[in-house]
This record gives sequence, C-alpha cells and structure tokens, in this order.
Amino acid sequence: NAGVTQTPKFRILKIGQSMTLQCTQDMNHNYMYWYRQDPGMGLKLIYYSVGAGITDKGEVPNGYNVSRSTTEDFPLRLELAAPSQTSVYFCASSYTANTEAFFGQGTRLTVV
Amino acid sequence: GENVEQHPSTLSVQEGDSAVIKCTYSDSASNYFPWYKQELGKRPQLIIDIRSNVGEKKDQRIAVTLNKTAKHFSLHITETQPEDSAVYFCAASSRDNQGGKLIFGQGTELSVKP
Repeated sequence: NAGVTQTPKFRILKIGQSMTLQCTQDMNHNYMYWYRQDPGMGLKLIYYSVGAGITDKGEVPNGYNVSRSTTEDFPLRLELAAPSQTSVYFCASSYTANTEAFFGQGTRLTVV
Repeated sequence: GENVEQHPSTLSVQEGDSAVIKCTYSDSASNYFPWYKQELGKRPQLIIDIRSNVGEKKDQRIAVTLNKTAKHFSLHITETQPEDSAVYFCAASSRDNQGGKLIFGQGTELSVKP
C-alpha cells in the first residue's frame, strides 16, 4: 500500500515550457486535491476532484489544468510556466471531504 | 468561498510550556476541522481532527476545541517537547454543491526551545 505517490520530486522548467505533475493513490479515495505551498506560506488549493470525471477550481486555479479520468490518478498540468509558479506542489487524497487527507511527498518546481 | 485565518504565524515556547494556536473560519456550513503537522522538508500529516458535533477532543498532550457560534477552533499542546517543533496547519472542510473541499490556514511555525 503506497498511499499517495507524486512524480517527479524535483523539476526545473524554463519560462513558457509546460509539464504535467503526476499523482496516483491506491486507497480507493474519492477525493483528490492539488495544493501549492510557497515559502513561509500555507497550503493553497489549486484544484480538487470528488470523483472520476468531476473536477472543480480551488483558491488559485489560474495557469493550471487537471483531469480525473480514473479514481486513482489526478494529474496537474502547467501550461506556459511562469516564475510565479515556482513552489512546492502537494497532491492529497481522502475518502470524503470530512475524513483524513493523505499527502504525497511533494514536487519542488522551479521556473527560471 | 471558505476562508481560514490562523494565528500566530510564529510561536516560540520553552520546553514544558503549553502552546495554543487559533483559527477562525468563514463558512458556517463547515463541519470538519483537522490539524496537520509538517516537519521540515516533509509532507503534512494529520495529528488530530474534530467534527462539528463535538466541542473538544483530546489525544495525549494534544487537544482541540471548537466554538461553532464564534466560528473558531484552537489547538492546544501541553508539556511541549523539542520534537513538537514544526509548522502546524489548521483546515476546514467547506461544503459546496459538489461535496466539499479542504481549505487550510496560513500555518504556525512552532519552535520549542530546550
């Protein structure tokens, strides 16, 4: 039982490039979330999903896109990377909105 | 939408003292309030949570209280130890028409001095 797995762990992007952050969970959780954590700041919700085929915007969705074609996977797409997207990205999952959320190990992204 | 405010942003205590972190939330329909601990360079992990039908919950040296009327909840750590040093996040589950989402506060960096 691996829990929540994110790839890659580290990435450096050039301005204007695009990439996909991968997230998969093996706990059969319905809810999945993407957060970003800037230095000294809290966790800001980018997008979330309550089940396969359903996604919705969080607090800071601009510049990102998501999809949820399966229960297990919730990839986050960055189009036209900007320096403001330099951050640590965490994926999380939970059975419902009112149960423990389990986090992946994070992806440290730098845009230069 | 839901907003969660957390105070203080930094907290320094002596080993053995108590630490209190406070959060307020805006959505009166929120009904789940977890607290997460994040050690340096690691992922956040749940340490305690409380639901809206309960006013207080304890787990050894950690307790959480909830005041639904005032829309605030607090984390209490007693007999602090150096290993309690970390960033602590409160969160609230915000209900919406698709089932809810988890919104976090800004975090409190707790430093316990030996």
